[in-house]
Amino acid sequence: NAGVTQTPKFQVLKTGQSMTLQCAQDMNHEYMSWYRQDPGMGLRLIHYSVGAGITDQGEVPNGYNVSRSTTEDFPLRLLSAAPSQTSVYFCASKDDRGNSPLHFGNGTRLTVT
Amino acid sequence: GQQLNQSPQSMFIQEGEDVSMNCTSSSIFNTWLWYKQDPGEGPVLLIALYKAGELTSNGRLTAQFGITRKDSFLNISASIPSDVGIYFCAGLNNNDMRFGAGTRLTVKP
Repeated sequence: NAGVTQTPKFQVLKTGQSMTLQCAQDMNHEYMSWYRQDPGMGLRLIHYSVGAGITDQGEVPNGYNVSRSTTEDFPLRLLSAAPSQTSVYFCASKDDRGNSPLHFGNGTRLTVT
Repeated sequence: GQQLNQSPQSMFIQEGEDVSMNCTSSSIFNTWLWYKQDPGEGPVLLIALYKAGELTSNGRLTAQFGITRKDSFLNISASIPSDVGIYFCAGLNNNDMRFGAGTRLTVKP
């Protein structure tokens, strides 16, 4: 059982480039989300989805797009990378019971130069 | 969005010592969670608390859901080197999850 799988593990981009961070889960979870982790700031929610075809903004959505065409996949797209988007990105999922915990992937470390 | 107040920010302890960290919030949560993050990996769930006043153990770890539903603590007894990492608290109401900034634990052998 793979859980939540993120690719790539590391990425370096130049300012202005675009890219997609991939996330897939095999637990049939309806809820999926993307967080960024910066030193001293904990985990901040970028976007989330409560099911296929439904997405919504989190706390820090600017500069990012998401889509949810299947239950399994929830890619995060950076439209035009900026140095402020240098961070570690985590994808997470949970089942649709209200207070069930999140399961996290192992993260993507992104550097924008 | 409001994050939780987690303290301490970091701890340097000797192997064998006990550790205590806590989280507070101005908001009520229905669920409190504690996660551990090892370097280069994602957070892994340690303990989940679902009722005010609940005290739950997982091996050497003990966590409590505060009676006011606005706080939680995590204790680690008899620390060992592999306890090193960052510990996060999280409060959860339905799908709304808020995180503390983390406690970085260093254990000296």
